[in-house]
Amino acid sequence: GAGVSQSPRYKVAKRGQDVALRCDPISGHVSLFWYQQALGQGPEFLTYFQNEAQLDKSGLPSDRFFAERPEGSVSTLKIQRTQQEDSAVYLCASSLWLPAQYFGPGTRLLVL
Amino acid sequence: GNSVTQMEGPVTLSEEAFLTINCTYTATGYPSLFWYVQYPGEGLQLLLKATKADDKGSNKGFEATYRKETTSFHLEKGSVQVSDSAVYFCALKANAGKSTFGDGTTLTVKP
Repeated sequence: GAGVSQSPRYKVAKRGQDVALRCDPISGHVSLFWYQQALGQGPEFLTYFQNEAQLDKSGLPSDRFFAERPEGSVSTLKIQRTQQEDSAVYLCASSLWLPAQYFGPGTRLLVL
Repeated sequence: GNSVTQMEGPVTLSEEAFLTINCTYTATGYPSLFWYVQYPGEGLQLLLKATKADDKGSNKGFEATYRKETTSFHLEKGSVQVSDSAVYFCALKANAGKSTFGDGTTLTVKP
């Protein structure tokens, strides 16, 4: 594809609701990253995949957060029982070779 | 752990002024260093990078030199344009996985 795409671009959830955020990386990119960006701050690492293997999930803030990439392409970040502090922009990035990463436009999540 | 500290903003300059945005880092090993830019309403874009000490990254008139002795990677541009108005993020990658970002510096260039 032309670039990394993410959907939905905006999501409003009621507290306690489950949400699923999708990332379509650039075709052929082996590595995929998820970041969380709070307002006025830089992106914070959540998790990293190489193909379908989740190599690092040290940044996931709680066990309510779960990410998968079952076929080594599209990835889904799931947040269960959303809380207000989960409100942020969720960024996905992919790369073919390290260290350059290509970012998607992000999903802006608002939990009410 | 790894960390990146960048110059607090916002920064406001007149067109054709000289730009410096400071960035210092703390990391184990030998990280790669990056500057990303985020234009209004758009996603993060890689602006430039340097992968080892004394390397100079450059793109679109912007430059930054990897200084291991001062653990710095300051962004410079000799003559800014209104179109350079954006948020600039300094980042490092110390291993095969995650990047660590600074909090961003907002630049506004006035005509």
